[in-house]
Amino acid sequence: QKEVEQNSGPLSVPEGAIASLNCTYSDRVSQSFFWYRQYSGKSPELIMSIYSNGDKEDGRFTAQLNKASQYVSLLIRDSQPSDSATYLCAVNGFGNEKLTFGTGTRLTIIP
Amino acid sequence: GAVVSQHPSRVICKSGTSVKIECRSLDFQATTMFWYRQFPKQSLMLMATSNEGSKATYEQGVEKDKFLINHASLTLSTLTVTSAHPEDSSFYICSARDTAIYFGEGSWLTVV
Repeated sequence: QKEVEQNSGPLSVPEGAIASLNCTYSDRVSQSFFWYRQYSGKSPELIMSIYSNGDKEDGRFTAQLNKASQYVSLLIRDSQPSDSATYLCAVNGFGNEKLTFGTGTRLTIIP
Repeated sequence: GAVVSQHPSRVICKSGTSVKIECRSLDFQATTMFWYRQFPKQSLMLMATSNEGSKATYEQGVEKDKFLINHASLTLSTLTVTSAHPEDSSFYICSARDTAIYFGEGSWLTVV
């Protein structure tokens, strides 16, 4: 079992709709969770970080964490064509600064 | 967010030569930096953890004599690819932790 799993996609969502990206992780002691957006040929850009159970909202983005289910998700409301990218889920263990990445989900917003 | 800068953004070198990539934290100090490699359509693979004032910690399967890492100060880490081969051609990215983990812009290495 991979440590961090994501559906590779591609995920196609109509412009203006909600895009839902999911991630599961295997290490129960994981403490910090991050969503990065990566455009083709560019380095990852931090979108959201979440550390405790529940929802965290920032603009059009909402991260959801459920540690009991070992599940973290990212919702993108009012999807825009500029949101088309690969979204990477990353997890950080307790006392460990190393990030473990999922393989990423390729999201395409259809105008 | 915090800024992490990499240089050069693109480099082409001849097979057998060495090339150095710099990673700087511009507005914070980083005792630890991370080096990743990413091949096309694949995820980031951690190569090594760079520690200021001590030796880098390499991930399994990464040749420490080929990928030399020097963390010279609290704001600078360098990755030197020695005796480069075409299969070393890749996107190399560094990261550092401030309040969260931020990435540099990445460096495209092409070995011809």
